[in-house]
Amino acid sequence: DAGVIQSPRHEVTEMGQEVTLRCKPISGHDYLFWYRQTMMRGLELLIYFNNNVPIDDSGMPEDRFSAKMPNASFSTLKIQPSEPRDSAVYFCASRTTGLGSYEQYFGPGTRLTVT
Amino acid sequence: GEDVEQSLFLSVREGDSSVINCTYTDSSSTYLYWYKQEPGAGLQLLTYIFSNMDMKQDQRLTVLLNKKDKHLSLRIADTQTGDSAIYFCAEVLVGGYNKLIFGAGTRLAVHP
Repeated sequence: DAGVIQSPRHEVTEMGQEVTLRCKPISGHDYLFWYRQTMMRGLELLIYFNNNVPIDDSGMPEDRFSAKMPNASFSTLKIQPSEPRDSAVYFCASRTTGLGSYEQYFGPGTRLTVT
Repeated sequence: GEDVEQSLFLSVREGDSSVINCTYTDSSSTYLYWYKQEPGAGLQLLTYIFSNMDMKQDQRLTVLLNKKDKHLSLRIADTQTGDSAIYFCAEVLVGGYNKLIFGAGTRLAVHP
């Protein structure tokens, strides 16, 4: 299996622009998670989906952030408009209900820089 | 409340053993995990332990769990330069199976 795939790996954009981050979970996994990692706040769970349905978005910072999962193999995290404080590494992770140990598998991340 | 704490930095000599420690506050932890993050990469699951176990060994890795003291440790035997990374402790709580609670990470530096 290719693992969780994220694109782009790096994104540099100007303040006010729209940014879209993409994720392909591991095939057969029914949960998908979006995290943000910063030096100040560590790893934060933003939102997660189960069977393509958003279950908990309480970690989404504000209305500028939105996430979708139109099908089992694709999810997007969108920031509109972007701000410099959104600069971080964004990770996508997935897991399957079939494993009783609940571990999540992470993608390589997207490093976002907003200038 | 939910809190996972780790020391931020550990330096060891190549060939020595490394011990990375983690404490957690919530006694309803069910699974505890160790993830490794190399520079510029995502988090890689190293190992996990179920809360009814005291120890788990996997090649050079030994996980010890002291549930009474809410203390988890990861021992890496014969530490190599390739082990240099940030190590995250994480827990899953009863009823919170979709939420991993991470520590801040311990940066392990291995020197010759």
